[in-house]
Amino acid sequence: EAQVTQNPRYLITVTGKKLTVTCSQNMNHEYMSWYRQDPGLGLRQIYYSMNVEVTDKGDVPEGYKVSRKEKRNFPLILESPSPNQTSLYFCASSSVRTGGLGYEQYFGPGTRLTVT
Amino acid sequence: EDQVTQSPEALRLQEGESSSLNCSYTVSGLRGLFWYRQDPGKGPEFLFTLYSAGEEKEKERLKATLTKKESFLHITAPKPEDSATYLCAVQAPGANSKLTFGKGITLSVRP
Repeated sequence: EAQVTQNPRYLITVTGKKLTVTCSQNMNHEYMSWYRQDPGLGLRQIYYSMNVEVTDKGDVPEGYKVSRKEKRNFPLILESPSPNQTSLYFCASSSVRTGGLGYEQYFGPGTRLTVT
Repeated sequence: EDQVTQSPEALRLQEGESSSLNCSYTVSGLRGLFWYRQDPGKGPEFLFTLYSAGEEKEKERLKATLTKKESFLHITAPKPEDSATYLCAVQAPGANSKLTFGKGITLSVRP
């Protein structure tokens, strides 16, 4: 089954304690991205990756890190979480077609993070 | 800057009462307009992609249309299981395949 998986699904942590949220896709997609979703603000992009070893900032990258060492995995790292990073996080992936029409993105089930 | 505005914010319908959801957008060149459905606590689920004005796509009770400034998601004879938040997103040309999302429309269908 084609899917994007995220772990953990729920996480409660304390300020300053480093954490990693994993994301994996089995569709051989080149493009992967992280979004956060907050009430009244909608989905906002944190980081994205066009392929292995290629990553770039989205709209709200402060306080986050990512890496793309393998095509299927795109972990999100919070080195020193703060309460304003409490949110619902989604990983997404898609194929990439250069210069042409956009492909739809497929989303994971989400990770609900609470930082106290 | 790309912008997406969805209206109304919330919509309550009686089962069988058809209606439309609106998505207005401002983007410098449209690579694609996407509709997603999101159930509470879950990730967005892809519904449609529209690429050019005049294009229409249908899936069961849903029909999406596109003009140069807006898209509509028409829901014909909705059922309670159509209750969800419907998200519209646009993608502009460029190396970053970022989606710019609207804030969504929460649809409730009463039996």
